[in-house]
Amino acid sequence: GDSVTQMEGPVTLSEEAFLTINCTYTATGYPSLFWYVQYPGEGLQLLLKATKADDKGSNKGFEATYRKETTSFHLEKGSVQVSDSAVYFCALSDLYNFNKFYFGSGTKLNVKP
Amino acid sequence: DTEVTQTPKHLVMGMTNKKSLKCEQHMGHRAMYWYKQKAKKPPELMFVYSYEKLSINESVPSRFSPECPNSSLLNLHLHALQPEDSALYLCASSQEGQEYGYTFGSGTRLTVV
Repeated sequence: GDSVTQMEGPVTLSEEAFLTINCTYTATGYPSLFWYVQYPGEGLQLLLKATKADDKGSNKGFEATYRKETTSFHLEKGSVQVSDSAVYFCALSDLYNFNKFYFGSGTKLNVKP
Repeated sequence: DTEVTQTPKHLVMGMTNKKSLKCEQHMGHRAMYWYKQKAKKPPELMFVYSYEKLSINESVPSRFSPECPNSSLLNLHLHALQPEDSALYLCASSQEGQEYGYTFGSGTRLTVV
């Protein structure tokens, strides 16, 4: 079945450091891939997405590239800010059952001033 | 309007109480979802409504009863809950299709005492 695996957290970085959060997936078809962010006490917000191989999603300085050959969708940001502190979820949507999202376990990011 | 609105934001209820959570969206999305999220965990799917009909029930106990009165509204009726049901309850909506992703509400923080 479909699944998403994320790197364990928490990840602690200093402000302006480079961020990578690893995400790999297993899917039977050609899924769409997403990154969601959850700030404390809030719901999930869509951060970026990619719907086919080699697509790059980007938003607010974050980027992720859909790599079919490595079944990965790693999240990157060149220079993190304290305000980026949150939990990040990688997720996939299946072509044959798009009403069912598969979430990774989440990675908590702490950015220190 | 690009939001999913959930009420109330916080709810404390006793184990013998009956209460309801409400969710509303005006984006014309025809799929709506209830998720349950425990601390430090990803959201877990509870129910999916597609075109106002229940399409997925993830073996949720009958003390949770969903209702979709129309295409914009989704309710979750609660009765005889247990303390372990305390969690953040998230509503989401989406267009039909794997590439769109979900729009989440900010959630209802439920505490069962």
